[in-house]
Amino acid sequence: AQSVTQLDSQVPVFEEAPVELRCNYSSSVSVYLFWYVQYPNQGLQLLLKYLSGSTLVESINGFEAEFNKSQTSFHLRKPSVHISDTAEYFCAVIPIYSGAGSYQLTFGKGTKLSVIP
Amino acid sequence: GAGVSQTPSNKVTEKGKYVELRCDPISGHTALYWYRQSLGQGPEFLIYFQGTGAADDSGLPNDRFFAVRPEGSVSTLKIQRTERGDSAVYLCASSLMATSGRTGELFFGEGSRLTVL
Repeated sequence: AQSVTQLDSQVPVFEEAPVELRCNYSSSVSVYLFWYVQYPNQGLQLLLKYLSGSTLVESINGFEAEFNKSQTSFHLRKPSVHISDTAEYFCAVIPIYSGAGSYQLTFGKGTKLSVIP
Repeated sequence: GAGVSQTPSNKVTEKGKYVELRCDPISGHTALYWYRQSLGQGPEFLIYFQGTGAADDSGLPNDRFFAVRPEGSVSTLKIQRTERGDSAVYLCASSLMATSGRTGELFFGEGSRLTVL
């Protein structure tokens, strides 16, 4: 079984300031890692993912996340946030193996990012 | 439609009543998923369909919950004898294939908010 911990339930940050949203996971098997974002009144949408290769992955809107296997972390960062980044962010994992439970995403509880003008 | 559509968007019912929640996936998507998001929690897996069949229903909490997808498109989540603890947002997602869902290419609807009084 897998578990995901997002330590910060709410993160307020001023516009143009940097932000880091933390995610740690626990799993007995190798996993793929994801960040999903939910803007107000919208469904969850994929922000970025780590499947293999370079441990640093980027989104089209300036977010990046780095997979750290030794620390079992996948923290999300942005050097300068915008008002439009205000949303709830969910970290999630799924087992790499194909088999029982391998189609189930395990989500963290989410972090609400509020960007202050 | 362009995205995953869920109806109703809001449902208020009384304890003990029967409820149906509908999901209309993106046209052509063969895999369909139901998740439940309780207040303050991340989404939790309920069931996954590949075509018409439930490939993994291990997340259904008990036998009051049942889901169908008779023609491999629209799915209905059915909850019998509702309890106050069933109050949550029920999320539906679809993916082109099951394998693409495992690599994060999931498209979520906006959810159906169920309140059991």
